[in-house]
Amino acid sequence: EPEVTQTPSHQVTQMGQEVILRCVPISNHLYFYWYRQILGQKVEFLVSFYNNEISEKSEIFDDQFSVERPDGSNFTLKIRSTKLEDSAMYFCASSVSAAYNSPLHFGNGTRLTVT
Amino acid sequence: AQSVAQPEDQVNVAEGNPLTVKCTYSVSGNPYLFWYVQYPNRGLQFLLKYITGDNLVKGSYGFEAEFNKSQTSFHLKKPSALVSDSALYFCAVRVPYGTDKLIFGTGTRLQVFP
Repeated sequence: EPEVTQTPSHQVTQMGQEVILRCVPISNHLYFYWYRQILGQKVEFLVSFYNNEISEKSEIFDDQFSVERPDGSNFTLKIRSTKLEDSAMYFCASSVSAAYNSPLHFGNGTRLTVT
Repeated sequence: AQSVAQPEDQVNVAEGNPLTVKCTYSVSGNPYLFWYVQYPNRGLQFLLKYITGDNLVKGSYGFEAEFNKSQTSFHLKKPSALVSDSALYFCAVRVPYGTDKLIFGTGTRLQVFP
């Protein structure tokens, strides 16, 4: 069964540094998402992306965050200047359509640790 | 505000016994409801969904969930638990208009003992 793949599985960075989290969505999917889960807290929506543009973003997704689909397969999340509170598990997800009954398929996540 | 509640942080059940993981929601309009499971060091895996129709929906690995509109609940159930069902379970809701996002509950850890 096709999977969403995320790299790296664990990223450690210093406060103020830029990080790029990478994702390869399922190949025939058209809608892409980033969610995050701070340790012990709920999974939170960050951003959705379709047709090479952001379709929705949450309050968490401020100017420090950006997303890009640089080629036909990768989908990246960039944090320009990381803060301690950005430490979390970041999940990429994709879906075949925007239909509200279309389930999201999630990757295994990237654990980001900001020191 | 739209929200999902999972009132139990942890559910313990003996192998072979039935299990229930509770979920209630508060949204405007008719929600689409989902259950996801997270095994250690893995992503969220889709289990099942309720969109419309029969209130009892069946999903992967023998799980099912019952939608109750009057109680705004969507409890996850399985008639006979397996040790391998031990994992973190998330209920999620998607409002059908105006937003892309899934709203997740806080998760319930299911521990099945042999």
